[in-house]
Amino acid sequence: GAGVSQSPSNKVTEKGKDVELRCDPISGHTALYWYRQRLGQGLEFLIYFQGNSAPDKSGLPSDRFSAERTGESVSTLTIQRTQQEDSAVYLCASSNLNNEQFFGPGTRLTVL
Amino acid sequence: KQEVTQIPAALSVPEGENLVLNCSFTDSAIYNLQWFRQDPGKGLTSLLLIQSSQREQTSGRLNASLDKSSGRSTLYIAASQPGDSATYLCAVVPTQGGSEKLVFGKGMKLTVNP
Repeated sequence: GAGVSQSPSNKVTEKGKDVELRCDPISGHTALYWYRQRLGQGLEFLIYFQGNSAPDKSGLPSDRFSAERTGESVSTLTIQRTQQEDSAVYLCASSNLNNEQFFGPGTRLTVL
Repeated sequence: KQEVTQIPAALSVPEGENLVLNCSFTDSAIYNLQWFRQDPGKGLTSLLLIQSSQREQTSGRLNASLDKSSGRSTLYIAASQPGDSATYLCAVVPTQGGSEKLVFGKGMKLTVNP
């Protein structure tokens, strides 16, 4: 079956612009996660959605970052007024009842 | 705060060797541990998931063990091949924190030479 998909695969933007990243989880997975991988650093948790529960936003680095999820499907991560330090690969994952997380290919964001 | 460590950061071996990749974590209160591989420019591929009540999991040439009390996991790769070259990441889900987010190590870059 189809895995987690993300779009766009690459995004180059100018400092100060807003960007929106999209994630389509595996069908039937109720949990969805966003992580960030900056060059030379480990993966960092950003936000977690589980069904209709309030999301865990504890990993969002600033109020310029926000995310939404429509029911148990698509999620969008929005970064407002992008900064150069936001340059990273943004990875989305979804999990099944066994809590095994499956990752998408990521969106590589470059802020000039 | 849970921390995950993978040492060494890189390993280069000739084809055919049996390998042991190490992962340690500071807090034994975990729901599960997951091993991934990441190829350059790609996302993460799940290799094995070990629940906290389990001791090991096997898939093909891969075997992962978990010793929760000592905060250690090992990933064993039998008869390594050049196609195994990738970065291997270990991650745990802590029981504290309220959500099932993964805490990652920084990974180990494996190169298997033909």
